[in-house]
Parts: sequence; C-alpha cells; structure tokens
Amino acid sequence: AQTVTQSQPEMSVQEAETVTLSCTYDTSESDYYLFWYKQPPSRQMILVIRQEAYKQQNATENRFSVNFQKAAKSFSLKISDSQLGDAAMYFCAYNSETSGSRLTFGEGTQLTVNP
Amino acid sequence: GAGVSQTPSNKVTEKGKYVELRCDPISGHTALYWYRQSLGQGPEFLIYFQGTGAADDSGLPNDRFFAVRPEGSVSTLKIQRTERGDSAVYLCASRSSGTNNEQFFGPGTRLTVL
Repeated sequence: AQTVTQSQPEMSVQEAETVTLSCTYDTSESDYYLFWYKQPPSRQMILVIRQEAYKQQNATENRFSVNFQKAAKSFSLKISDSQLGDAAMYFCAYNSETSGSRLTFGEGTQLTVNP
Repeated sequence: GAGVSQTPSNKVTEKGKYVELRCDPISGHTALYWYRQSLGQGPEFLIYFQGTGAADDSGLPNDRFFAVRPEGSVSTLKIQRTERGDSAVYLCASRSSGTNNEQFFGPGTRLTVL
C-alpha cells in the first residue's frame, strides 16, 4: 500500500519570504502522480501543483514549485514571496491509474504567514 | 461552469440515526470519489464510482456505510445507525476521464453525531 508522510505539523513564514514544506511517500509503483493541495478554513480542497512521476523536470506554478526526488521518494513544495492568502493547511497526496486514481493524503502541514 | 457541490453543508444528528449526504459532481465527470476527513487529519478514501457502478469500495469502514450513484451523476452517501466516531467532514470529488487524474473537490459536509 502507498503511504504519504508529512513530518511538519506546523510551519510559519514571514510575508514575502520563502518556505518549504516537506513530503515523503512510499510506493512500489513506477508510474504515479503527486499533488499538493491547499485547504483553507472554508474546507475547499484546492489543487496547488501536480507532478507526473515520469517527468524529471520539477513542476512550477507561479510562486509555487516542487523539488521531486524520485529515488528518495521525496516531494517538497516551495512557496516563494509568501502572501497572507497562502495561510492554510497543505496536503501532499499520491495517486496512480492502477488504484483508480484514488488519492492517498498525508497528515497535512498548517502554514501560518506572519505580516 | 459550476463546481462540485455538496449538501447539506453541515449536518447534526443523534447517535443511532440515519443520514444521507449528497454530492453533485461537475457535469460530464464520469468518476466520483468520497473521502472522510477527521479533525486534524488528511482525507481518507471511502469509495470510488466510475459511471453508475462502485469501482472500489474498499475504504468504507463497515456495513453501516453505503453509497449510490444511480444515474451516473449525483451520488448519495448513506450512513446507518450513526456513531459519534462518524463525526467528520465528508468530501466529494469528481474527475473527467480526460483531465489527467486531477480531481475537483466540493466544499464538504461536516457531520456531527451527538
């Protein structure tokens, strides 16, 4: 079974600074997808960024980028120029087509952005 | 277009009662997922529909939980004889076959069992 681990229950960053959230996962599959989701207090799960395992190039979406280390099974999220609106719970998640694309989530990291 | 919607937003019930939670997926999305998120934890998979059929119900915790999707669109999650441990946020997500595994989530239903 696949597992996803986020070892940082809470993180904080100053506005305009950079923060990195960590995620590791375990799988025996070679073809899969990794995601970072943001969940504000409204509960709406919002996709931040996605990485296909077969792509060596790290995904980027504006101020958000990932460091995908396939051999180490590590998938960290870097948020640059942090904004107050970035404050939320962040979840790392895994899925693959062999599992019907069901998502396996980590425990989450609560990000606080200080003005 | 409209996103995934879930009703009710909040549901308070008494232990032992029956509840139904509804999910309206994005129009045309063939895959539908239910997840349960307990306080302070990440969502956990419950069941996955492809069209009208449950393709994977391995996440349902016991036989008190049941879900249907009779016309391949709206889905209802049904919980019988509710227990206090069922209190959680129940999230629904839908996915089109052409969206490269991206799931779109609804706002969830917060279920509280007293």
